[in-house]
Amino acid sequence: DAGVTQSPTHLIKTRGQHVTLRCSPISGHKSVSWYQQVLGQGPQFIFQYYEKEERGRGNFPDRFSARQFPNYSSELNVNALLLGDSALYLCASSLRGGTGVNQPQHFGDGTRLSIL
Amino acid sequence: EDQVTQSPEALRLQEGESSSLNCSYTVSGLRGLFWYRQDPGKGPEFLFTLYSAGEEKEKERLKATLTKKESFLHITAPKPEDSATYLCAVQAGNQFYFGTGTSLTVIP
Repeated sequence: DAGVTQSPTHLIKTRGQHVTLRCSPISGHKSVSWYQQVLGQGPQFIFQYYEKEERGRGNFPDRFSARQFPNYSSELNVNALLLGDSALYLCASSLRGGTGVNQPQHFGDGTRLSIL
Repeated sequence: EDQVTQSPEALRLQEGESSSLNCSYTVSGLRGLFWYRQDPGKGPEFLFTLYSAGEEKEKERLKATLTKKESFLHITAPKPEDSATYLCAVQAGNQFYFGTGTSLTVIP
């Protein structure tokens, strides 16, 4: 079975531009989460979506937004890109999501975003 | 403030030399603690979930334990292929917090 797939694998943008990252969860998984990982640091939680609704949000500015589609795939959008947005963006899926659920998340290999 | 701290930051072991990695946490309403392995250029690979103090999980040379304030990842007789960064994460409510990881190098 395919794992979590993310596209593109690498992306180069300039300051002020907008970017859309895509994620397809493991088949049967209905929850998707997004993380930002800066080199040498652990992943930082951005969003969790379950059944197309936002179920959790980390401490990121409103420039970051996401959505989940009926087929449970997801997009992460970042507007007005800053140099500090350069990072590995990871998507993770789990069977379910939400406050009362504590299931392990399975990660894709991420999208490497570089801002010039 | 919810926080996850891992130690040591880096660890070099000889092949066969057992050791432990530490993950201490201060969160309200812990829902689960997760261990992951991350290889360079890859996403984290799920290893274990622990839900309550006293719980233990094992997989090959790895054993994870959980207390009310910390978790340990014990590595018994490691091999060079165990070299990776090991990440600890906790779920508190609808938030997920990762530590900065322990970079493990196992020397043949």
